Amino acid sequence: GEDVEQSLFLSVREGDSSVINCTYTDSSSTYLYWYKQEPGAGLQLLTYIFSNMDMKQDQRLTVLLNKKDKHLSLRIADTQTGDSAIYFCAEKGSNNNDMRFGAGTRLTVKP
Amino acid sequence: EPEVTQTPSHQVTQMGQEVILRCVPISNHLYFYWYRQILGQKVEFLVSFYNNEISEKSEIFDDQFSVERPDGSNFTLKIRSTKLEDSAMYFCASSGDGNQPQHFGDGTRLSIL
Repeated sequence: GEDVEQSLFLSVREGDSSVINCTYTDSSSTYLYWYKQEPGAGLQLLTYIFSNMDMKQDQRLTVLLNKKDKHLSLRIADTQTGDSAIYFCAEKGSNNNDMRFGAGTRLTVKP
Repeated sequence: EPEVTQTPSHQVTQMGQEVILRCVPISNHLYFYWYRQILGQKVEFLVSFYNNEISEKSEIFDDQFSVERPDGSNFTLKIRSTKLEDSAMYFCASSGDGNQPQHFGDGTRLSIL
């Protein structure tokens, strides 16, 4: 079946950039999303990109999409301790309502 | 900013009992969803709901599950006879249309004893 894969852990120092990577298999994916989950909280939509785009920037966040390789990344510039959380990549096709999630990448930011 | 709200935050139920999880989607949204996340596993799609009927459901959403929009604001998930393996975090989400981003609630942690 279709799948979304992410590395499970990433550790960076405060002030550095973080890059979280995601790969997906569904070639009909239309929308790709990044959600953030802090401890005990729900899934907060961070940003999303439509499949006909290759880059989207929103303040400290940059999303890069390589549709040919089915690779999505989230770059967080000037990472802060408040960015420590689990980051989920998710994709959705144009003909269905459900989203498929990766397992989440736990980002730890060290002071 | 409008948000999806879910109650209760934690539900403890005896195996075999019925449980109803409640959600209030964002008020002008038309599409509603339930997902679950078993501890240590991925977030999994359960069901989507539009125009007062189920538009899509996964294999997980068997006859023990049902959804309802009993009034203009609530969206509920009922599990008829809970099993131990139903223990999970259940997330409700809503979107303005089927292609807009889905906004999630904080989830209900369901523990089956």
